[in-house]
Amino acid sequence: GAVVSQHPSWVICKSGTSVKIECRSLDFQATTMFWYRQFPKQSLMLMATSNEGSKATYEQGVEKDKFLINHASLTLSTLTVTSAHPEDSSFYICSASLRGNTIYFGEGSWLTVV
Amino acid sequence: GQNIDQPTEMTATEGAIVQINCTYQTSGFNGLFWYQQHAGEAPTFLSYNVLDGLEEKGRFSSFLSRSKGYSYLLLKELQMKDSASYLCAALGGRRALTFGSGTRLQVQP
Repeated sequence: GAVVSQHPSWVICKSGTSVKIECRSLDFQATTMFWYRQFPKQSLMLMATSNEGSKATYEQGVEKDKFLINHASLTLSTLTVTSAHPEDSSFYICSASLRGNTIYFGEGSWLTVV
Repeated sequence: GQNIDQPTEMTATEGAIVQINCTYQTSGFNGLFWYQQHAGEAPTFLSYNVLDGLEEKGRFSSFLSRSKGYSYLLLKELQMKDSASYLCAALGGRRALTFGSGTRLQVQP
């Protein structure tokens, strides 16, 4: 079964609205989760590191005010895309480490902004 | 900085063997991962190497040379379902993965 669960799998939103994506670690606590983005026919790019109880660390070029990350508990991190635009349409995926270097990915979320 | 290089596309024949190479440069190295990704789906873990040498797992094997910053994924007895993208990813000091651009493998009958 899934070790990291991500929801929703598919979401369509209108330009200018916000959408929230959840990433949950199942049966384990994850002090750190990671958010990646993947544009069509491109590889995954790290967006930010989500730290439980503190501010997320964003990669260069990722707008922290646009991609809000909240990691309020040890099993849940959320990514909110604010004021979404069509160019934000992408595949967003989270990951968490269970033990050491064992990394699990969520199922991913397809965002389409119309 | 981080830099991962792998071929963009490869084609192979069903039943054959294919080797996908990956070179990497990272600051802080905690291992090299290979993932398989079918279009529209999340990556699926294939292998993890942190020590030099070959790791074999069924039809898939992965090799790592830390001194050369080099890894390869070997797929044997290719099947049509192996057509997918194969992502090489290095685990850095922050436990975040840096991915290569992916190699799109097309298996032909």
